[in-house]
Amino acid sequence: GAGVSQSPSNKVTEKGKDVELRCDPISGHTALYWYRQSLGQGLEFLIYFQGNSAPDKSGLPSDRFSAERTGGSVSTLTIQRTQQEDSAVYLCASSYQPGLTDTQYFGPGTRLTVL
Amino acid sequence: GDSVTQMEGPVTLSEEAFLTINCTYTATGYPSLFWYVQYPGEGLQLLLKATKADDKGSNKGFEATYRKETTSFHLEKGSVQVSDSAVYFCALSHGSSNTGKLIFGQGTTLQVKP
Repeated sequence: GAGVSQSPSNKVTEKGKDVELRCDPISGHTALYWYRQSLGQGLEFLIYFQGNSAPDKSGLPSDRFSAERTGGSVSTLTIQRTQQEDSAVYLCASSYQPGLTDTQYFGPGTRLTVL
Repeated sequence: GDSVTQMEGPVTLSEEAFLTINCTYTATGYPSLFWYVQYPGEGLQLLLKATKADDKGSNKGFEATYRKETTSFHLEKGSVQVSDSAVYFCALSHGSSNTGKLIFGQGTTLQVKP
């Protein structure tokens, strides 16, 4: 079946611009996660959605970052007033249900470059 | 807070050599432990996992045992192939929150030469 998809695959933007990154999770998966992979910080958790519950935003690095998940499916990560340190690969993952043991399936990522 | 520490790479081995990549963790509660792999040009994918102490995860010839007494989850393979060249990430599932969010180690690059 179809895996997690993300778009765009690459995004180049100028400092100060806003960007939106999209994630389509695997159909039927209730949990959705965003992570960021950068040279300096490695792989770090950003935000988590589960059904209609309030999202866990504890990993968002600043208030320039926000995310939403519409209809329990597609998610959009928005970065406002981008900075060069936002350059990274943004990964989305989904799992059938949340919890310690469930496998997360990752998308191919969006490579963001802020000039 | 919870954390994962992996041995630094890169690790360079000849084909058919024995592989060990060390991973230790610090966590509250009882986390689940994972190894993810990222092949060149591909996305992150689960290699194996273990959800409780003394469990052994295995896949594609790789193994790792959840050792609570030493807080370790070392990855091993008896005979590596060139196709195993990739970046390997050890991770734990955050024990106290039960959301399943992953905390990753810094990754270890493995290069296998023919």
